[in-house]
Amino acid sequence: NAGVMQNPRHLVRRRGQEARLRCSPMKGHSHVYWYRQLPEEGLKFMVYLQKENIIDESGMPKERFSAEFPKEGPSILRIQQVVRGDSAAYFCASSWGNLAEPEVVEQYFGPGTRLTVT
Amino acid sequence: SQQGEEDPQALSIQEGENATMNCSYKTSINNLQWYRQNSGRGLVHLILIRSNEREKHSGRLRVTLDTSKKSSSLLITASRAADTASYFCATPISGGSNYKLTFGKGTLLTVNP
Repeated sequence: NAGVMQNPRHLVRRRGQEARLRCSPMKGHSHVYWYRQLPEEGLKFMVYLQKENIIDESGMPKERFSAEFPKEGPSILRIQQVVRGDSAAYFCASSWGNLAEPEVVEQYFGPGTRLTVT
Repeated sequence: SQQGEEDPQALSIQEGENATMNCSYKTSINNLQWYRQNSGRGLVHLILIRSNEREKHSGRLRVTLDTSKKSSSLLITASRAADTASYFCATPISGGSNYKLTFGKGTLLTVNP
């Protein structure tokens, strides 16, 4: 039973380039979450998606960042025109919808993508 | 926004000893989760405790939750070198956004062989 998969594990981009981060949720999970971890900080929520829907993107910067979770394929976090401040570890998590207890959501995390902007 | 804050920031113990980490949060929650992160790796879900639970066990882990004090503790018994990692508590943001977990900066646990 494969866990949450993320690729690439490490990504180096020059300022102004685009970064694409991919996340494949655990089998059976239909909910995906993206978090960002800056050095020496805890994880910060960015966006929550279900298949073909963005449910909550309140933690995502308004400019340059976008996310999608298509009907087929992985979830993509896209950062356009990267800047040095985007350097961080980006983690994807997934869960199933807990209809019995919607207030309790166990999220399972991938290994992360470490983005370095030079 | 609410946030879990772990204490201490760093803890160094000898193999075989017990390790206790604490987490405090600010607003009412319906559950609290603990995660482990090995250096340079992703987070591993350890345990979830609901607001109506006071204590929960999983192997060598024991988690307590005191909602009146808005605090939780994670106890690792008979520690091993492999337990060396950062430990985070995560709480959902109240107001219906239970999927929006907030994390503290973590406790860095070092278990010396």
